[in-house]
Amino acid sequence: EIVMTQSPATLSVSPGERATLSCRASESVSSNLAWYQQKPGQAPRLLIYAASTRATAFPARFSGSGSGTDFTLTISSLQSEDFAVYYCQQYNNWPPLTFGPGTKVDIK
Amino acid sequence: QVQLQESGPGLVKPSETLSLTCTVSGGSVSSGSYYWSWIRQPPGKGPEWIGYIYNSGSSKYNPSLKSRVTMSVDTSKNQFSLKLRSVTAADTAVYYCARGITVFDYWGQGTLVTVSS
Repeated sequence: EIVMTQSPATLSVSPGERATLSCRASESVSSNLAWYQQKPGQAPRLLIYAASTRATAFPARFSGSGSGTDFTLTISSLQSEDFAVYYCQQYNNWPPLTFGPGTKVDIK
Repeated sequence: QVQLQESGPGLVKPSETLSLTCTVSGGSVSSGSYYWSWIRQPPGKGPEWIGYIYNSGSSKYNPSLKSRVTMSVDTSKNQFSLKLRSVTAADTAVYYCARGITVFDYWGQGTLVTVSS
């Protein structure tokens, strides 16, 4: 089973600042990585797939990069609606599909 | 717009069977293009993939749950279902149904299932 880790666990950022979230896989997942955004009391929402392809509902300030074992989600200028928990998920070697423990982005 | 809605008991006793149904609207479970999945999320933790089912009935489950899980699909009702046997407190989670096989683009709102006597 591929284990996903995320850092930091919590990221405190001021509105308008840049946020950089990291995700690491225990072995290579090529570019078969997705990111999800989850707000309290809501289901996760697909944000990025294939490591860098943004879902249509999300603006260009969200970007994903990386391949192999190390991935980054960047939010270029945080807006109030971006404060949430972000999860990465690999789909290269499965079953099982596996998710990371999440990074909470909160207001500094 | 595809919508998914989970339904089922919110409280299940230890050793019993958890049964949930997902009703799909705005789309068809019979569509050859899509797979239908179950994902759960224990309180305060990351999501855990449970498995998927296709309209033909073919399925694949998380190896850690495989011995206890059964999924089925009812195309006449546009629904798919999850059964998880012999539950324990460790199965307490928000259970989501979702569209997709590897990446999930539509999710239900989730339903909290608590395992307790």
